[in-house]
Amino acid sequence: SAVISQKPSRDICQRGTSLTIQCQVDSQVTMMFWYRQQPGQSLTLIATANQGSEATYESGFVIDKFPISRPNLTFSTLTVSNMSPEDSSIYLCSSMDTQRNEQFFGPGTRLTVL
Amino acid sequence: RKEVEQDPGPFNVPEGATVAFNCTYSNSASQSFFWYRQDCRKEPKLLMSVYSSGNEDGRFTAQLNRASQYISLLIRDSKLSDSATYLCVVRGSNYQLIWGAGTKLIIKP
Repeated sequence: SAVISQKPSRDICQRGTSLTIQCQVDSQVTMMFWYRQQPGQSLTLIATANQGSEATYESGFVIDKFPISRPNLTFSTLTVSNMSPEDSSIYLCSSMDTQRNEQFFGPGTRLTVL
Repeated sequence: RKEVEQDPGPFNVPEGATVAFNCTYSNSASQSFFWYRQDCRKEPKLLMSVYSSGNEDGRFTAQLNRASQYISLLIRDSKLSDSATYLCVVRGSNYQLIWGAGTKLIIKP
């Protein structure tokens, strides 16, 4: 399975600022995703990070608020812009092994917005 | 109706007992099914895929019932380390996963 790392692992931020989360996969992967998980809730897909083109966002998520980059097949970033306390959550990067039809996750970034 | 539904629990089970949970899904065109395990403050980790013929991995057995649109997970001889939230996941014709909210399992000594 792919090994996925994320930075930072956690952060506490002030309202109105932005945070960029980095995701690194140890092998080239076709598909990468960004999820959010609120405390006690299940995972919500934010967007699919497409290599070389704009990310595909799910309903309720927009590029201005969550810009995503994917410059190559092993790396992606998610920025949480103009943060408010409602953005406090765990943000998870994921990649898919399309041959084995399995999805793997990074350890997550725990974000607290004050 | 949610696309993937699970009983949130918690299921409080004595160590050594057998426990089972179900998950129902609404899209009959769903093609792939999985159980993930998530420990507190950790990322989800794939426990097992669920095949049409059912599959077993040690103490864990997964079953799929397409006619009734549910999947199940059975854990035999439960261990304290089995305490976690178990997430049911369904994939449709594209690669997008639909996640259940999870069933919390607590194994007690």
